[in-house]
Amino acid sequence: DIQMTQSPSSLSASVGDRVTITCRASQNIHTYLNWYRQTPGKAPQLLIYSASSLQSGVPSRFSGSGSGAHFTLTISSLQPEDLATYYCQQSSMTPYTFGQGTKLEI
Amino acid sequence: EVDLVQSGGGLVKPGGSLRLSCSASGFPFSSFAMNWVRQAPGKGLEWVSYITHNGGTVRYAESLKGRFTISRDNAKNSLYLQMNSLRAEDTAVYYCATQFSEYYPLANWGPGTLVTVSS
Repeated sequence: DIQMTQSPSSLSASVGDRVTITCRASQNIHTYLNWYRQTPGKAPQLLIYSASSLQSGVPSRFSGSGSGAHFTLTISSLQPEDLATYYCQQSSMTPYTFGQGTKLEI
Repeated sequence: EVDLVQSGGGLVKPGGSLRLSCSASGFPFSSFAMNWVRQAPGKGLEWVSYITHNGGTVRYAESLKGRFTISRDNAKNSLYLQMNSLRAEDTAVYYCATQFSEYYPLANWGPGTLVTVSS
């Protein structure tokens, strides 16, 4: 199975800050990397797919980059509604695997 | 607009069975692969199972093989997860999620349904 490792596990930031979350895969997954946001009590929401493509309706302050085994999610200017847990996920092969999550506190 | 309505969760005793359902609308269900993902209380996301648009290929998390069965009825726009021999560690919120095809992201998620396995 492909292991996905996110860092940091938690992060405290302020409104307006630029935030970066990192995700590493245990092998080359090309750009089959997706990012999700999950607010408390809700289902995950797709933010970024194929490493760098912004999902329709997602604010442009979210961006993704990377390929191969190293990826990043950046929030350019943190907003109060970004209080959530963020997960990376590889869709290169089943079993699809998720990072352990990054809890963002504001 | 994509809508996924989930049902079938609840409290079940260890060793028991449950069947989860996910009713889809707002998109061409028969053209999309589907997945089940679960989340134990306070934990992260765990992929459970995948089924192709026509049900021809199914895949499971290795730890669940033989106990869980994914299926779909395209005539009813519905996805199912039959869960047998349930264990306490199967306690989780179960989400259904759309996937256009292999390699694509899990684009739309249902609201989740809680399964609690306890005596």
